[in-house]
Amino acid sequence: GIQVEQSPPDLILQEGANSTLRCNFSDSVNNLQWFHQNPWGQLINLFYIPSGTKQNGRLSATTVATERYSLLYISSSQTTDSGVYFCAVEQDTGRRALTFGSGTRLQVQP
Amino acid sequence: ETGVTQTPRHLVMGMTNKKSLKCEQHLGHNAMYWYKQSAKKPLELMFVYNFKEQTENNSVPSRFSPECPNSSHLFLHLHTLQPEDSALYLCASSQVTGAGNTIYFGEGSWLTVV
Repeated sequence: GIQVEQSPPDLILQEGANSTLRCNFSDSVNNLQWFHQNPWGQLINLFYIPSGTKQNGRLSATTVATERYSLLYISSSQTTDSGVYFCAVEQDTGRRALTFGSGTRLQVQP
Repeated sequence: ETGVTQTPRHLVMGMTNKKSLKCEQHLGHNAMYWYKQSAKKPLELMFVYNFKEQTENNSVPSRFSPECPNSSHLFLHLHTLQPEDSALYLCASSQVTGAGNTIYFGEGSWLTVV
């Protein structure tokens, strides 16, 4: 099956700093989503971005499908950004299910 | 609030118990999923239902038994579980379209098997 690798696995930032999270995938996809998991386990959709660039406030994401990677940018980080960020992809095979990466655990310190 | 509701949020059960997890989606979606999240492991897909029909069973042990009576409800029946089954169980739903689908998760059910 498809492999999804996220980096870095852990990241500690000071409040106000910027960061870039990376997701590499091993095959072509027709669906890529970024999620934020809060400390209570809730997974929140951030972006549906199989290709191109999107922005939502301090967050933005870019997927370069031909090179099989996606980037999530967090600017002016806040303590509420802490948690685990997951990238998940769906292969272009008709199989209707997302495969998740291992996540990037982000801690933003005041 | 994502439109996907899971109950109970926390469950502690013995290895000989029988319990069920419930999921309800209020989004009008036609696909529902169970995922398992264990400590220090990626989310693992367990089951997929499209239009109430199971389309995927990802080699899940038979002590986990899913049920999808309609497109809005999904259950996971649990019996004779093992301590290693302790995990966060996440339900999700999506509207399956021609190419890809945005998936929405519930808040999860934290399961502890003692």
